[in-house]
Amino acid sequence: DAGVIQSPRHEVTEMGQEVTLRCKPISGHDYLFWYRQTMMRGLELLIYFNNNVPIDDSGMPEDRFSAKMPNASFSTLKIQPSEPRDSAVYFCASSSRLAGVQETQYFGPGTRLLVL
Amino acid sequence: AQSVTQPDIHITVSEGASLELRCNYSYGATPYLFWYVQSPGQGLQLLLKYFSGDTLVQGIKGFEAEFKRSQSSFNLRKPSVHWSDAAEYFCAVAPRSSNTGKLIFGQGTTLQVKP
Repeated sequence: DAGVIQSPRHEVTEMGQEVTLRCKPISGHDYLFWYRQTMMRGLELLIYFNNNVPIDDSGMPEDRFSAKMPNASFSTLKIQPSEPRDSAVYFCASSSRLAGVQETQYFGPGTRLLVL
Repeated sequence: AQSVTQPDIHITVSEGASLELRCNYSYGATPYLFWYVQSPGQGLQLLLKYFSGDTLVQGIKGFEAEFKRSQSSFNLRKPSVHWSDAAEYFCAVAPRSSNTGKLIFGQGTTLQVKP
């Protein structure tokens, strides 16, 4: 398997612009997670999906952030409008559940976002 | 409050020396426990995990970790560090009660390896 795929790997944009980050989870995984990593706050869970349904979005910082999962093989994280404080590395991870036990999360390589 | 603490932000060891990275958690019940490694510019890679059973867990790249319930700790060890081990290491927990798979990460420990 190719692992979790994220695109783009790097994104530079100007304040106020819309940014869309993309993620393809590992085939067969039914959980998908979006994280943000910054020096100040470390790794934060933003939102996660189970079977394409958002389960917990309590980590989404504000209404400018939205996430969708239209099907089992694709998810997006959108920031509109973007602000300089959104600059961070955004990770997508996926996992599955076997016999009622949550399995390991596998992470993508991340998207480095810089908002000028 | 539930938390994961990695007391050491930065550690420097000489190549060939032994390594121990500390991780403490604060939860009502023993959570699932993980160690991840992040090389510069890369994503997170799982080193090892503890769900149940033997409290000494073997992982990849020669790493091991020991779960100590009495100390609420899950320290990562390696007997002989290689220069390629220089990276950031994250301890993470997933509460068993919720069984949602949500991971809560520590702040990370940056490992520097001296030649």
